[in-house]
Amino acid sequence: GAVVSQHPSWVICKSGTSVKIECRSLDFQATTMFWYRQFPKQSLMLMATSNEGSKATYEQGVEKDKFLINHASLTLSTLTVTSAHPEDSSFYICSARVYYGKGLKETQYFGPGTRLLVL
Amino acid sequence: AQKITQTQPGMFVQEKEAVTLDCTYDTSDPSYGLFWYKQPSSGEMIFLIYQGSYDQQNATEGRYSLNFQKARKSANLVISASQLGDSAMYFCAMRVLITGANSKLTFGKGITLSVRP
Repeated sequence: GAVVSQHPSWVICKSGTSVKIECRSLDFQATTMFWYRQFPKQSLMLMATSNEGSKATYEQGVEKDKFLINHASLTLSTLTVTSAHPEDSSFYICSARVYYGKGLKETQYFGPGTRLLVL
Repeated sequence: AQKITQTQPGMFVQEKEAVTLDCTYDTSDPSYGLFWYKQPSSGEMIFLIYQGSYDQQNATEGRYSLNFQKARKSANLVISASQLGDSAMYFCAMRVLITGANSKLTFGKGITLSVRP
């Protein structure tokens, strides 16, 4: 099945530094990728939709300048948390939309996630 | 706007028994897709099953089946023959199927399932 990878899986950084998270579709092309954030015991919160070759669409309340998204190719999207602060500590997950089977069933496959801890 | 409701508290099931996880949804769009995902403690989101609003039959994938009741707007997940590895958080999600648009997956709050040996 479709595989989405994320790197790194764990990041610990000092406050004020920037962190880049990569999301790759390994065996398929993903024109659209999504970035989510999840706090412990809570549901996923969509941050932005990333389209290859164009600007990302951010959800209300998500700072564009804080969370920079680049989708430069059909297999790679990156999320950069700029000037990270402790409140940015969270679990970040990317996903890609995939169509499969007869009748074009669809789903979103998710990466394994990246745990960010800002000290 | 779309809404997914998962209100069950933590669920417990005995190994090898079946369990039903509830999900209700709300949308005014006639064309939509319903999804269930499993999230174990490792954090990865694992796709389990998909049901389209126009699908005539309930979706099944191995031990997973979706009890789709369109009139009631419910999409309950049934796990048969529970295994210890089924212990995880389960999320129900929905997406309105708009051609050419990037409509979003809307997630429920999730249900924690614990399988007892």
